[in-house]
Amino acid sequence: QQPVQSPQAVILREGEDAVINCSSSKALYSVHWYRQKHGEAPVFLMILLKGGEQKGHEKISASFNEKKQQSSLYLTASQLSYSGTYFCGTRGSGNTGKLIFGQGTTLQVKP
Amino acid sequence: DTAVSQTPKYLVTQMGNDKSIKCEQNLGHDTMYWYKQDSKKFLKIMFSYNNKELIINETVPNRFSPKSPDKAHLNLHINSLELGDSAVYFCASSHNRDSNGYTFGSGTRLTVV
Repeated sequence: QQPVQSPQAVILREGEDAVINCSSSKALYSVHWYRQKHGEAPVFLMILLKGGEQKGHEKISASFNEKKQQSSLYLTASQLSYSGTYFCGTRGSGNTGKLIFGQGTTLQVKP
Repeated sequence: DTAVSQTPKYLVTQMGNDKSIKCEQNLGHDTMYWYKQDSKKFLKIMFSYNNKELIINETVPNRFSPKSPDKAHLNLHINSLELGDSAVYFCASSHNRDSNGYTFGSGTRLTVV
């Protein structure tokens, strides 16, 4: 079951904040977040395991609420380099379970 | 020192032809994957191999056949190519540990004409 991301697209000015949500209808074991720039490969940002932890990566952080089967990605004080498509990937079982990606959220940061 | 390398980067071919895409990783990862990304950017898993053993085989036409000669290589052969096969195919790899993300190759843009 593909997770659902919202919003589908976001346009920001440099320095503004954004939140991207990822929601699943199934119980989750872990959530991955990736960023893909146009014409390039997806790049791993972070992984969250069940336990409701929050992780950080520079000014990008994420949370995981396993009870609600949701994860959110927080982008703080956005920079031009944050532009791209963000994907969440969800895994319903252990470390060899398949990672299913959401439909993506396109983020555009303008000067 | 590319971590996950795919060849070729671009592939243009006619309907009905057979083609292969190669993937190699030098990260020492245990698991390798093939994903297909369509024109709407949807990333869909096709296959996964763990130490040369097929562990995930999604609903993919039999025309697609993966092969893993060793845990550092995962190739994809496609027979009788169709227009709908046009997409970007990404190879990826990861460790068999929960805390690790996937490392993707640069992708192969396949265009069937």
